[in-house]
Amino acid sequence: DGGITQSPKYLFRKEGQNVTLSCEQNLNHDAMYWYRQDPGQGLRLIYYSQIVNDFQKGDIAEGYSVSREKKESFPLTVTSAQKNPTAFYLCASALTDQPQHFGDGTRLSIL
Amino acid sequence: AQSVTQLDSQVPVFEEAPVELRCNYSSSVSVYLFWYVQYPNQGLQLLLKYLSGSTLVKGINGFEAEFNKSQTSFHLRKPSVHISDTAEYFCAVRPPSGSARQLTFGSGTQLTVLP
Repeated sequence: DGGITQSPKYLFRKEGQNVTLSCEQNLNHDAMYWYRQDPGQGLRLIYYSQIVNDFQKGDIAEGYSVSREKKESFPLTVTSAQKNPTAFYLCASALTDQPQHFGDGTRLSIL
Repeated sequence: AQSVTQLDSQVPVFEEAPVELRCNYSSSVSVYLFWYVQYPNQGLQLLLKYLSGSTLVKGINGFEAEFNKSQTSFHLRKPSVHISDTAEYFCAVRPPSGSARQLTFGSGTQLTVLP
């Protein structure tokens, strides 16, 4: 079955560490997105990519980085510059003009 | 730019009662409208969408929504809820075309169905 796989489901980070969240899709979607979800705030867009080797900042890109070397993969790195990284991170993908499909998320916590 | 307001952060309702989750939006251009549902520790699942045509849209799990352009609203309804409908519901909008085609989400409504 096609879908979006996010890994790991739970991730712990020490202060000052960078961590990378994985997002893989086999839906042949061109566009991919990363969102951050905090309680009571809905989803906020971190980065998005509409084609391979190209990506754009969303509303809250500071402290995050991404790459899009393959159509199927859009990893997100949470850098040490992100001062409040504890959140639920959701990856999504979409075909042009179609609704976004979401993965099951990664919950990041600080030790 | 678009914005979405979900007026109720929490909606408790008894099983088999009807429910309405409210969503209002603001946009200077026409938009597509969506409702997503999120169960605990999971991603979002599309419930229904309005792109054009009939303003009454039917979705999965017995939900429906009505687009009201004059009131810029897209309220979600279900005539009889079940315990399994307990989840968080998000309203979202995006422009039909443009360079980004990003979704703008509301802050969510937690629906709790009580026995």
